[in-house]
Amino acid sequence: AQSVTQLDSQVPVFEEAPVELRCNYSSSVSVYLFWYVQYPNQGLQLLLKYLSGSTLVKGINGFEAEFNKSQTSFHLRKPSVHISDTAEYFCAVSHGSGNTGKLIFGQGTTLQVKP
Amino acid sequence: EAQVTQNPRYLITVTGKKLTVTCSQNMNHEYMSWYRQDPGLGLRQIYYSMNVEVTDKGDVPEGYKVSRKEKRNFPLILESPSPNQTSLYFCASSGASGRMVYEQYFGPGTRLTVT
Repeated sequence: AQSVTQLDSQVPVFEEAPVELRCNYSSSVSVYLFWYVQYPNQGLQLLLKYLSGSTLVKGINGFEAEFNKSQTSFHLRKPSVHISDTAEYFCAVSHGSGNTGKLIFGQGTTLQVKP
Repeated sequence: EAQVTQNPRYLITVTGKKLTVTCSQNMNHEYMSWYRQDPGLGLRQIYYSMNVEVTDKGDVPEGYKVSRKEKRNFPLILESPSPNQTSLYFCASSGASGRMVYEQYFGPGTRLTVT
């Protein structure tokens, strides 16, 4: 069965510092990988996705993630964060072939950007 | 504007009083899904639908019902709500090709409290 582990529940960081939010998944088949962001009192917004092709994926708001098949990881990075990046971030996985649309979410990582 | 809408956004009810949360999308998406979000647990899928009249259980379907009579609508029904169904609920939709489902678009959420 698929599972997703976000290794940090909270990540505090100062403004303009780099950040990495870690995500590991377990699956024996090919996968689609996603990062979503949830701002306070809002729904989830897609940050970026990996379906196939280049393992380095660029998303909105300056975020990027790298798919590492051998380490089954999909870590999210940003070189310089802003106060406005304070939010909860979710990594999600679905099967890449014959999938039924089922998204498996990690538990979420709260990014706290401090001035 | 492409969007997923949910109503109501907030609902306080009592144990056992039937309720329906509506979900509608205007993107002509085949796939729709319901999730609940609870602190520390991330998002868990309740039910999903690959197309009209095709629905299936997710990870936590107990106590919920759904129907998909029209492509754009996917209501979530709680026949006899209980306090453990107090949660934040999200509807999502996605384009699909056969059984391949792509990134999901989320509604703004419905915060349900059952007393």
